Amino acid sequence: EPEVTQTPSHQVTQMGQEVILRCVPISNHLYFYWYRQILGQKVEFLVSFYNNEISEKSEIFDDQFSVERPDGSNFTLKIRSTKLEDSAMYFCASSATSGRPDTQYFGPGTRLTVL
Amino acid sequence: AQSVAQPEDQVNVAEGNPLTVKCTYSVSGNPYLFWYVQYPNRGLQFLLKYITGDNLVKGSYGFEAEFNKSQTSFHLKKPSALVSDSALYFCAVRYPLSGGYNKLIFGAGTRLAVHP
Repeated sequence: EPEVTQTPSHQVTQMGQEVILRCVPISNHLYFYWYRQILGQKVEFLVSFYNNEISEKSEIFDDQFSVERPDGSNFTLKIRSTKLEDSAMYFCASSATSGRPDTQYFGPGTRLTVL
Repeated sequence: AQSVAQPEDQVNVAEGNPLTVKCTYSVSGNPYLFWYVQYPNRGLQFLLKYITGDNLVKGSYGFEAEFNKSQTSFHLKKPSALVSDSALYFCAVRYPLSGGYNKLIFGAGTRLAVHP
């Protein structure tokens, strides 16, 4: 069964450093998403991406964040200058289309720790 | 504001007994409703969804959920719990006809503990 994969599983970085979290969505999916879950809190939507552009973003997704689909398979989330409060589990998800109420399938997550 | 509530932080049930994990949502248009499960060190795994039609939805691993529009609820149920069902369960809602077309709004999660 196709799965969303994410690398690395755990990333430790120093405050102020840039990090790139990588995701490989399910191959025939067209919509891609990033969510995050701060320890002990809810899963929160960050951004959705379709046709090489952001289709929706939350207020969390400020200028420090960016997303990219650099090739036909990868989908990345970049945090330019990490803050302590960026420490969280980051989940990538994908779905076939938003024209229909398709299910979003999630990857296993990347745990980001900012020191 | 659009929101999802899972009123119980934890649900304890004995193996073989029926289980219910509760979810209610704020009223705004016609929501699409989802349940996901998270096992330790794993991602969110899709269980089932309600879009339209029959209010009783069947999903993976013997789980089902009932959509109740008058009570704005979407409770997750299973007739006979297994120890292996022990995990963190998330209810999520999507409001496709209002702001936030794609995004899922999640509840806080309910930890299900099934005891032998």
